[in-house]
Amino acid sequence: DGGITQSPKYLFRKEGQNVTLSCEQNLNHDAMYWYRQDPGQGLRLIYYSQIVNDFQKGDIAEGYSVSREKKESFPLTVTSAQKNPTAFYLCASSIPESLAGSYTDTQYFGPGTRLTVL
Amino acid sequence: AQKVTQAQTEISVVEKEDVTLDCVYETRDTTYYLFWYKQPPSGELVFLIRRNSFDEQNEISGRYSWNFQKSTSSFNFTITASQVVDSAVYFCALRASGGSYIPTFGRGTSLIVHP
Repeated sequence: DGGITQSPKYLFRKEGQNVTLSCEQNLNHDAMYWYRQDPGQGLRLIYYSQIVNDFQKGDIAEGYSVSREKKESFPLTVTSAQKNPTAFYLCASSIPESLAGSYTDTQYFGPGTRLTVL
Repeated sequence: AQKVTQAQTEISVVEKEDVTLDCVYETRDTTYYLFWYKQPPSGELVFLIRRNSFDEQNEISGRYSWNFQKSTSSFNFTITASQVVDSAVYFCALRASGGSYIPTFGRGTSLIVHP
């Protein structure tokens, strides 16, 4: 089955530690994204990557880092510089799709990782 | 700039009631795409529908229907005969054709369906 997997589902971190969240997709999608969601909030974009070995900052990139060495994988590292990392993290991927003569991307999401800083 | 407004923070209904979730958007682009996602308690966002700006036809999928009106910049979502399994947070999103292809999400509407 094609899809997006994120691991772990729950993650606990001590203050001052870096932690890496995994995101893997086997949909052959070119683009991948990381979002952060806080309780009662919408989605905020952290980083995105349109192609292997290239990525761009989103709206709240400070304190986070990413890599895109393989098309299938887009890991997110939450560094100790992130002041308030406790949140729900969602990974997504997309590929351009033809729709009525034009192209658009539809994002498909993984199950998420809930990070708690102790 | 793009903006999506979901003014209803939370809606509570009793099973079998019909419910409409509102979505109002702003964009200067003439070509754009609108989306609805469902986020059940498990957390994963599930894609429901995509609509482009050239197609104002309403769409029905089972108990779900969508009303797209460019004149009012709205893309409302109606659930007919709601069920407990419909309880979730629903997000509306907008992606314009120009510039960044990153969609703008609304803040979501939490729907609670009571048995």
